[in-house]
Amino acid sequence: GAVVSQHPSRVICKSGTSVKIECRSLDFQATTMFWYRQFPKQSLMLMATSNEGSKATYEQGVEKDKFLINHASLTLSTLTVTSAHPEDSSFYICSARTGNAYNEQFFGPGTRLTVL
Amino acid sequence: EDQVTQSPEALRLQEGESSSLNCSYTVSGLRGLFWYRQDPGKGPEFLFTLYSAGEEKEKERLKATLTKKESFLHITAPKPEDSATYLCAVQAGGDMRFGAGTRLTVKP
Repeated sequence: GAVVSQHPSRVICKSGTSVKIECRSLDFQATTMFWYRQFPKQSLMLMATSNEGSKATYEQGVEKDKFLINHASLTLSTLTVTSAHPEDSSFYICSARTGNAYNEQFFGPGTRLTVL
Repeated sequence: EDQVTQSPEALRLQEGESSSLNCSYTVSGLRGLFWYRQDPGKGPEFLFTLYSAGEEKEKERLKATLTKKESFLHITAPKPEDSATYLCAVQAGGDMRFGAGTRLTVKP
């Protein structure tokens, strides 16, 4: 099946710093990539959707200036959490989809962010 | 508003005890219903896609079915390694909307 990787898998940072998370589709071209966050024992919450070469579409309540998304190529999307604060600590998961909305999304393994 | 509801929230089974997980949905223009498995601290793993009522798909001990209002994930003779959270998601319009999941625990 399709493989999506994320890096890093775990990051601990100080409050006020910025953190970049990479999401790569390893064996397919992802026309659309998604970024989710997940709190303990809760389901996935969609943060933003990005298409290669276009600006990301953010969900209501997600600050686009805080969560910068770049979808530079058909195999790479990055999420940068700017000026991170403890409340940004969460599990961030990306997914990638090829083709149209009838196709399944394939998820990365997730990145655990802890902001001290 | 599109909604996806999974039940039960948690399910504990003995090894070999078959059961079903439910995913009920209300969406306009369903494009697909997806089942995923998620282990703690990991991303969801794709299991099935169902597109139309009456469709069924199987994989090992898992079988997914779809009606116009709900989907079932049947687990036959489960093993401890089937323990995980099972997520249902529906695709309608632009977004994939997830249910809260069912945490399945299978005891040996």
